[in-house]
Amino acid sequence: EDKVVQSPLSLVVHEGDTVTLNCSYEVTNFRSLLWYKQEKKAPTFLFMLTSSGIEKKSGRLSSILDKKELFSILNITATQTGDSAVYLCAVEDASGTYKYIFGTGTRLKVLA
Amino acid sequence: EPEVTQTPSHQVTQMGQEVILRCVPISNHLYFYWYRQILGQKVEFLVSFYNNEISEKSEIFDDQFSVERPDGSNFTLKIRSTKLEDSAMYFCASSDRGLAGGYTDTQYFGPGTRLTVL
Repeated sequence: EDKVVQSPLSLVVHEGDTVTLNCSYEVTNFRSLLWYKQEKKAPTFLFMLTSSGIEKKSGRLSSILDKKELFSILNITATQTGDSAVYLCAVEDASGTYKYIFGTGTRLKVLA
Repeated sequence: EPEVTQTPSHQVTQMGQEVILRCVPISNHLYFYWYRQILGQKVEFLVSFYNNEISEKSEIFDDQFSVERPDGSNFTLKIRSTKLEDSAMYFCASSDRGLAGGYTDTQYFGPGTRLTVL
């Protein structure tokens, strides 16, 4: 069965800390891996990763994919209270019509 | 910036009633999706829709569910006879697949409709 597992489930850090969120997956027909940030409601897009070893970067956030070991990490440096959210990892399964399989998310809380 | 919109933001209904959740995808997108998220659980795929027909549906999407694109802008999810366990946040998403050159297929999510079945 296809699955996406995120760890840790939750994390509490102080402003300025660096965090690493993990996502491992087992999907029959992998096409891409995406990271979303979910604050109050809608998941908002952060990154799409399709190739191993190529880091995607946006400000203090970065992510990389390892297609051999079937995982991705999301790094956040110099965390701020505004980074507090649930971070969702989704894997696009191309068996059929490219649906997303989501992990349970990592709940990050950044304390001032 | 274009975005996916959903109405209503919150719907409360009695068990057994029919509800219609509405979505307006991003205007030039061609692929549409419904997902749900039961409180405290993960986001789950329900159905994908392309070219006016269902492309794929999950085991959750049983006969009580249906989707429709009644006009050029709206995309609806109908739940015919709601059950308590249908209480969840329902997200609509649309995808930019095929619109840009190369590999791009990002799903953009609406703000969700919180459905509460009493």
